[in-house]
Amino acid sequence: GESVGLHLPTLSVQEGDNSIINCAYSNSASDYFIWYKQESGKGPQFIIDIRSNMDKRQGQRVTVLLNKTVKHLSLQIAATQPGDSAVYFCAENGQNFVFGPGTRLSVLP
Amino acid sequence: EPEVTQTPSHQVTQMGQEVILRCVPISNHLYFYWYRQILGQKVEFLVSFYNNEISEKSEIFDDQFSVERPDGSNFTLKIRSTKLEDSAMYFCASSDGTSMAGEKLFFGSGTQLSVL
Repeated sequence: GESVGLHLPTLSVQEGDNSIINCAYSNSASDYFIWYKQESGKGPQFIIDIRSNMDKRQGQRVTVLLNKTVKHLSLQIAATQPGDSAVYFCAENGQNFVFGPGTRLSVLP
Repeated sequence: EPEVTQTPSHQVTQMGQEVILRCVPISNHLYFYWYRQILGQKVEFLVSFYNNEISEKSEIFDDQFSVERPDGSNFTLKIRSTKLEDSAMYFCASSDGTSMAGEKLFFGSGTQLSVL
């Protein structure tokens, strides 16, 4: 069956450094992917998305990379700030969105 | 900016009691969803709803669960007889289109359900 997973459950980075959060997916038929940010006690918040006809998409301080060959997705956050501390989920589409287990990003002062 | 709103933010109930979780999706959206998240775990799909009927449901969504769109704005999740394992954060979401069409979900802030 389809599944989405993350390589690292936790990630700690120094403020100002770049963060890279990874995600592996198994359903090669998925053609749309989203990264969500979830702060404590809140619902998932859309960050950035990418369709399978693209390899890279950039937003404000965030970049998503998609490698369809190895079914890998990553989220890059430039100049990580304390406000970026949260759990980050990748999600892939299918009949319904399937979420990965999440990576907790901690930004160190 | 339009948002999905959920009430209540917290719900405490006794095992075996019925609960209704309420959601107001974004007004021009046509697809509605319930997801849940057990503490520290990933977000799990429960059910999707379109055109006044269930489109898809997961194995979690058994006969104790039901959804309804009682009017033009509300979308509810009912659990008839709650169990301890129903304790979780329940998220409502809505979208313009389906996931297969590549439409993103917008989530509410959730209802934390605690079953005692």
